[in-house]
Amino acid sequence: EAGVAQSPRYKIIEKRQSVAFWCNPISGHATLYWYQQILGQGPKLLIQFQNNGVVDDSQLPKDRFSAERLKGVDSTLKIQPAKLEDSAVYLCASSYLIDSEQFFGPGTRLTVL
Amino acid sequence: AQRVTQPEKLLSVFKGAPVELKCNYSYSGSPELFWYVQYSRQRLQLLLRHISRESIKGFTADLNKGETSFHLKKPFAQEEDSAMYYCALSVYTDKLIFGTGTRLQVFP
Repeated sequence: EAGVAQSPRYKIIEKRQSVAFWCNPISGHATLYWYQQILGQGPKLLIQFQNNGVVDDSQLPKDRFSAERLKGVDSTLKIQPAKLEDSAVYLCASSYLIDSEQFFGPGTRLTVL
Repeated sequence: AQRVTQPEKLLSVFKGAPVELKCNYSYSGSPELFWYVQYSRQRLQLLLRHISRESIKGFTADLNKGETSFHLKKPFAQEEDSAMYYCALSVYTDKLIFGTGTRLQVFP
């Protein structure tokens, strides 16, 4: 089966600009996750969707980050405006159900200058 | 607070040597622990989870609730085991909390 798809793979922006990332989960997977992985750290969950509803967004910096999964399939994560500390790899993952194995995408590497 | 600690950033061994990647966790509930692996230029992927009690690619990990540990072990390391290894703790709604990772280098 096709894996989790993410685009773009790389993005370089200047601080205060906006950026958006896209994720297409594995077909049939109801649960979708966005993680932020800063260099030298493990992935940190930003937001978790079950179908098109938010299950957990407790670590999402809501003043600048937003995410949506309108039709319960693909998802976008937006940062507006970006800060230097947002430089990281943004990982999308999906699972068939909550408590099922999470499958990760290749990630989007964001550099904020 | 829930936390996962991997004390070693880098672990270097020679091929055929035993390997132990350390992981300690902090969680007041019933823990579910995982090991994820990321090979060079590949995606992060699940290696094993403690409830399955499987041996994957020769690796095993035993949950020790008394020591709050979930160390990953392999008796004889292979060069293809070289990768980044992350220990993760699942809490509440299947939220994963990752450690900072240990890079395993296996020399020929």
